[in-house]
Amino acid sequence: SQQGEEDPQALSIQEGENATMNCSYKTSINNLQWYRQNSGRGLVHLILIRSNEREKHSGRLRVTLDTSKKSSSLLITASRAADTASYFCATVSPYDKVIFGPGTSLSVIP
Amino acid sequence: KAGVTQTPRYLIKTRGQQVTLSCSPISGHRSVSWYQQTPGQGLQFLFEYFSETQRNKGNFPGRFSGRQFSNSRSEMNVSTLELGDSALYLCATGSRDGGTGELFFGEGSRLTVL
Repeated sequence: SQQGEEDPQALSIQEGENATMNCSYKTSINNLQWYRQNSGRGLVHLILIRSNEREKHSGRLRVTLDTSKKSSSLLITASRAADTASYFCATVSPYDKVIFGPGTSLSVIP
Repeated sequence: KAGVTQTPRYLIKTRGQQVTLSCSPISGHRSVSWYQQTPGQGLQFLFEYFSETQRNKGNFPGRFSGRQFSNSRSEMNVSTLELGDSALYLCATGSRDGGTGELFFGEGSRLTVL
């Protein structure tokens, strides 16, 4: 079964608004990563947060990790139409399997 | 630096046939992972190879197999194809030498089984 579960499954917002996606997981992890996928393409790595980190920033992206709740969130600020894509969280376990959640489909309306 | 190259990009097969997909990693990457992506099941982990050895394996039947060559290029094979094998097969490579860094994905091989 999949390790990560994203929430919501789909999100539609207006350009300029912030988008927040959540990821929950079940077992201990070494790190958690977020990826983006444009329709029918390969995935692109966005950001990695280690199990001993609580927050990380990269440009308009902000990721938080709460290991006590086994959850992470990805915030995209000031969204753009080009941010329309599917976003996946991926957990890396101590045995190094990288398991992806089902993803959140984000639509940013111009 | 060239990215991850997957071939072929698109292919159509019929039930019962077999297929081989290829993945050439980024130079220096020794880890190659394969994923199956379908609308219903999402991204499912197939297997990971590191230095020619299978390091991890997902829950797929024995019809799905793979290998890695000394130059780190990897192939996966699916025998006795079924309709449900229609999917986007993604290869991801990384420099995961005992570490857990980011994965670099190819554009995928889209397999249609008729």
